[in-house]
This record gives sequence, C-alpha cells and structure tokens, in this order.
Amino acid sequence: NAGVMQNPRHLVRRRGQEARLRCSPMKGHSHVYWYRQLPEEGLKFMVYLQKENIIDESGMPKERFSAEFPKEGPSILRIQQVVRGDSAAYFCASSTTRGEETQYFGPGTRLLVL
Amino acid sequence: GDSVTQMEGPVTLSEEAFLTINCTYTATGYPSLFWYVQYPGEGLQLLLKATKADDKGSNKGFEATYRKETTSFHLEKGSVQVSDSAVYFCALRLSNSGYALNFGKGTSLLVTP
Repeated sequence: NAGVMQNPRHLVRRRGQEARLRCSPMKGHSHVYWYRQLPEEGLKFMVYLQKENIIDESGMPKERFSAEFPKEGPSILRIQQVVRGDSAAYFCASSTTRGEETQYFGPGTRLLVL
Repeated sequence: GDSVTQMEGPVTLSEEAFLTINCTYTATGYPSLFWYVQYPGEGLQLLLKATKADDKGSNKGFEATYRKETTSFHLEKGSVQVSDSAVYFCALRLSNSGYALNFGKGTSLLVTP
C-alpha cells in the first residue's frame, strides 16, 4: 500500500515565478491536509481539503496561495509570484475520514526561492 | 492560543542510554497528543498518541503519558539505538477544532555508537 506521495521532492524557483506542489493521498483516503515547515520551526497547518471542497483554509496566507483537490488527480498547492520567504518544506498529509485522529504524512516538497 | 513547547536540541546520546524529550502544551480544550518522528529525507511518521488524561502511548520501545495536571507529554525510551537518530515532534489536536495538528518545533536526536 503506497504511502502519501508528493512531487516534486525539491523545487527551485526565482522570485516572481509560480510554484505548483502535488500531493497524492494514500489509497482510500479522501481528506488532505497541507502544512508548511519554515527553517527552525515546527509544522504549521495551512489548509484542509476533501475532494472538490476546501473545508478549512484558516492557515493559508491571504494572497498568492491557493489549494485544490479535484475529483480526479492529486491535490495541488499553488503559490503565485513566489518570494524568498516562501522557501520552506511543504508537507501533505491524508486521512480516511473527517476528523480521524491519525494523519499520514508524505515526504514533503522542499521549495527554494532564489 | 494553543501551543506546544519542546525541549531544544540537538540531543546527543550514546547507544543504550536513556532518552527523555520534554513536551508541554497549552490548550483551551481537551487535546489529543501525539509524537511524530522524522527520519532524514522522509516525511513524518506517527510514533505514538494518547487521547485522554493518564493514557499512555507506546510504540517501538518509546512511551509517553498524558499528564493533565502538568500539561505534559514527555517522550521516553529506556535504551536508544543508532537507528533512533531522527527529529521528534510533539503535537496536539483539539477534539473540537476538527483537523489541524499543532506542532512543536521538533527535537533532533543523534545516537552515537
């Protein structure tokens, strides 16, 4: 049973470019969570999605960041016009049901903005 | 607000030494508590959890007891191995918040032969 898949594992962008991070949840999981880990910090919740629905985006920056989880395909975290402060590790987690205790994490995408 | 505080690392121990990583929390409700481990280059893996006061979570020789009176969830292992070298994260999740895990900053552990 494959775990949570994220790609790319490493992404380099120049300031002003767009970054697209993809997350495929574990088989049978329909709930996806995105977290960001800044250097020397713990993980911070960004957004929680179900298929075709954003349930909670209280941790998302108000501008430039968006997320989706379409009916088919992976969840996408999109960062427009990246700035150096966006450099971080972005982790995706998934669970089987709403509010399930255990979230299963992917290996993360390390974003570096030059 | 709700938060988790972990002891700062790095923690360096010799193989077979006793491990304690301290974790305390502040929460307005009744949280579930977790320890996650992150091996180099990998994602976080759930190590153990406890959902109510006095519960003890355990896995792979690691233990942590949910202490409501001291708002703590310290991680312990009696005899560490080199393969335990990793970053350990304490986290809480409020039962009425729905979804988000609230993490501490992580504690890096290095076990030397």
